Amino acid sequence: DTAVSQTPKYLVTQMGNDKSIKCEQNLGHDTMYWYKQDSKKFLKIMFSYNNKELIINETVPNRFSPKSPDKAHLNLHINSLELGDSAVYFCASSPGLAGPTDTQYFGPGTRLTVL
Amino acid sequence: AQSVTQLGSHVSVSEGALVLLRCNYSSSVPPYLFWYVQYPNQGLQLLLKYTSAATLVKGINGFEAEFKKSETSFHLTKPSAHMSDAAEYFCAVSDLVTGRRALTFGSGTRLQVQP
Repeated sequence: DTAVSQTPKYLVTQMGNDKSIKCEQNLGHDTMYWYKQDSKKFLKIMFSYNNKELIINETVPNRFSPKSPDKAHLNLHINSLELGDSAVYFCASSPGLAGPTDTQYFGPGTRLTVL
Repeated sequence: AQSVTQLGSHVSVSEGALVLLRCNYSSSVPPYLFWYVQYPNQGLQLLLKYTSAATLVKGINGFEAEFKKSETSFHLTKPSAHMSDAAEYFCAVSDLVTGRRALTFGSGTRLQVQP
C-alpha cells in the first residue's frame, strides 16, 4: 500500500547503456515529478507532469525522456548513460488542486550508479 | 526567482537539547515554505509547511517553525532532540511568482544527535 513507489531501488549500469526507472502513485494525484539528488544531497526538479501533460521541463539533457502513460505513472528513460548521471532520482506526486501550495509526496528513490 | 538558504550543512546536538535548523528565503512575494526530512536511504517526508495562515506552524514529530517576514526566515525547532531525529533536513520554497509546480530546495542540513 506504498503511496509513491519506484522501481528499481538500485540500478548499476555501464556508460552508454539505456535504462528506465518506473514510478507509480496510488494517491489519486494529478501531478507527478522527477527530482535528481546529487552526491552533495542537492535536490533539483527535472520534470513535472499534470494529468499526463508535461508542465515543467528543466534544463535537462535530451537523453532524459519522461513518459506518463496515465496520471498514476511517470517513468524516466535515460539514453546513453554518462558518469555524471550517477545520482538518486526521486519521483513525487501532489494532488494538483492547489498548485504551488500542494504537499508533494516522495518515493523512496532510485540510486543510479554509472560505471 | 525564489530561493532558500540553509545555514549550516551539519548541526550536532546532544539528546534532549534544543534543535535549531536555520532557513532564510529570498522572494519578491510572500512565499510558501516547506520543511522536509530525509532519513538515511529513504525518500523525503513533509515535516510542516507555511501557507500564509498562522506564522507559527506545528509539524510532525514535535517540530515547529516560525515564519518571520522581517527576518526572511523560517527556522525549524524542536525543544528536545531524540536520537531518531538524526537525518537530513531540507527547507524548500514553492514558486508563487510563476505558479510553477516545483519545489526549490535548500542545500540541506544534516542533524546529528549525540547520546
